[in-house]
Amino acid sequence: TQLLEQSPQFLSIQEGENLTVYCNSSSVFSSLQWYRQEPGEGPVLLVTVVTGGEVKKLKRLTFQFGDARKDSSLHITAAQPGDTGLYLCAANAGNMLTFGGGTRLMVKP
Amino acid sequence: GAGVSQSPSNKVTEKGKDVELRCDPISGHTALYWYRQSLGQGLEFLIYFQGNSAPDKSGLPSDRFSAERTGGSVSTLTIQRTQQEDSAVYLCASRIATGRVNTEAFFGQGTRLTVV
Repeated sequence: TQLLEQSPQFLSIQEGENLTVYCNSSSVFSSLQWYRQEPGEGPVLLVTVVTGGEVKKLKRLTFQFGDARKDSSLHITAAQPGDTGLYLCAANAGNMLTFGGGTRLMVKP
Repeated sequence: GAGVSQSPSNKVTEKGKDVELRCDPISGHTALYWYRQSLGQGLEFLIYFQGNSAPDKSGLPSDRFSAERTGGSVSTLTIQRTQQEDSAVYLCASRIATGRVNTEAFFGQGTRLTVV
């Protein structure tokens, strides 16, 4: 059982659709990060959320940290082919950085 | 360079051979992580170095895997007697660890290891 469970594992949608992916845990975290990984590259940080209930927006991406700091969601509005990639959530526990299994998103033109 | 550098980018080796993977972290980053990523999967934690502290080796899958970090900078991940199930992308990341827990981790492009 992974510390961080991401869902769905795979998502294939048409350009212009909205989507939400989830990152859940039974543990409480001081902060949580979302990364995106493109083929052949390492993951790149999108956002860090720290406060329970916090909402951060990055253009068409909206990130939310659960009130209890156990879960997070990523919502993408009007998805574009450039959003295609592997989305990973990661939890900080002290200096340890643990990743979820990822959501692989494909946006078709 | 300014980023995390990993070498080689690709490595094909015969089953039973030893391999060494290298990671050059960003200068000044005290925390260094190794992860393994199988095709299409998430990141599996292997080992973590923080400054001069003893490394956290809790993620190493077997005693065939070892890693060291010399001088608090360059790190080498060694896999002895490679097996086909070791085939994966091995990613290295570094970050500033100042006691603030939410600093960004910077990743290298990884080493793709194929054991034939």
